[in-house]
This record gives sequence, structure tokens and C-alpha cells, in this order.
Amino acid sequence: GAGVSQSPRYKVAKRGQDVALRCDPISGHVSLFWYQQALGQGPEFLTYFQNEAQLDKSGLPSDRFFAERPEGSVSTLKIQRTQQEDSAVYLCASSFDRSYNEQFFGPGTRLTVL
Amino acid sequence: AQSVAQPEDQVNVAEGNPLTVKCTYSVSGNPYLFWYVQYPNRGLQFLLKYITGDNLVKGSYGFEAEFNKSQTSFHLKKPSALVSDSALYFCAVRDEAGGFKTIFGAGTRLFVKA
Repeated sequence: GAGVSQSPRYKVAKRGQDVALRCDPISGHVSLFWYQQALGQGPEFLTYFQNEAQLDKSGLPSDRFFAERPEGSVSTLKIQRTQQEDSAVYLCASSFDRSYNEQFFGPGTRLTVL
Repeated sequence: AQSVAQPEDQVNVAEGNPLTVKCTYSVSGNPYLFWYVQYPNRGLQFLLKYITGDNLVKGSYGFEAEFNKSQTSFHLKKPSALVSDSALYFCAVRDEAGGFKTIFGAGTRLFVKA
């Protein structure tokens, strides 16, 4: 009965470093979403997976951002050559199926780029 | 393009009084509307959703929301506020015609005073 988990919970990176953020969705959930939440703002959509297929990546802010979900379960969000403006909380959410069901959110990874 | 507006950064209400947290939206197709709550040091939690049907939807913890198509609004309400309702509330919308992207508002902080 575990919920969505994310690791690491906190990440400090030097500008220019690559980072990888992991999301373990609820078992059996088809849909997986990544969001970026800046301080004092609502979550901003980054990308959406339906099983292993990335169906929407329209929210990825640049080609430095890359996400994958190769086996339709665990997902990784990778940010290359991090910049200070990448500092934010990165949220992962999963949903039971591909329709309009509610999303279950993980605790987030707080990324700080120095 | 989809958008969500939460016009109030903060709402203050006395315990036992009714509360309303406002949300308006803009979509090109039919909207799927959601409310989520974020307690301190906890992840986003689903409260309720409107997909179709009755304009008044009931959710967790005694909350309800009314869908008003003509005013493009989906205000969150509770007849009698509790101190424990103090949290950050987010309205979100998915456009039936817009794929899987979910747009969140900036959030409204609710303070319930004893």
C-alpha cells in the first residue's frame, strides 16, 4: 500500500552538473506525470507517460531536460548542465489509468543549484 | 490555451464559519476540474473532481465545489471551517480537447482562526 516515492528528497548541485531524479509510482498505475514547482507557485506540467510511452513532453523547458520510463513503472527525470533557474521542487504523480482520474503525488525532490 | 486563476493569495476565516476558495478556468473543450490540498511538509492530496454530471461535487473532509459553466468557475466550499483545514489549496484543470496536460493555479493559502 505504498504511495508514490521520490528520491533523493533533496539534491544540491553545482551549476553545470547533471542530475537524475527518480520516481516510483504506485504499482499498477498507468499514468505518470512530472511537474516543476517553484517557490510560491503551483506545480507546472513537464511531461506525461502512459506506461512506457511519453505522450506529452510539451512542458519540458529546454532540451537539457529529459525523462524516461523504460519499463512502464519507475521513471527518471534527468537534467543536464543544471542552471540556477532549475532550482525548484520536482513532483511526480501517478494515476490509475489514462483518463481523468485523480493524481497521487510523491513528496517531491527539492533541487538547489548553486 | 488552458489556464487557471486563483484570485486570492490568502483567505482568512474563523473556525465554524463557512469558507470559499475561488477558482476560474479557461479551456477550449470540456473541462476536467480538480482541487488538491497541500499540508505543511506533506505532498499534494486530492480533494475532489468534476468530470460531468451534477454541478455540485462533494469530496474529502467535508469539502464541496460547484461547477459553473457560464462563469467558468469551480469554487471550493465548506459549510463550517476547522482549524485543521488551514493549508494551501490548488485548483487544477485538464482540457478534454487538450490531451493529458494538467494546469494548476498558483494556490490559495487558507488560514482558519480558532
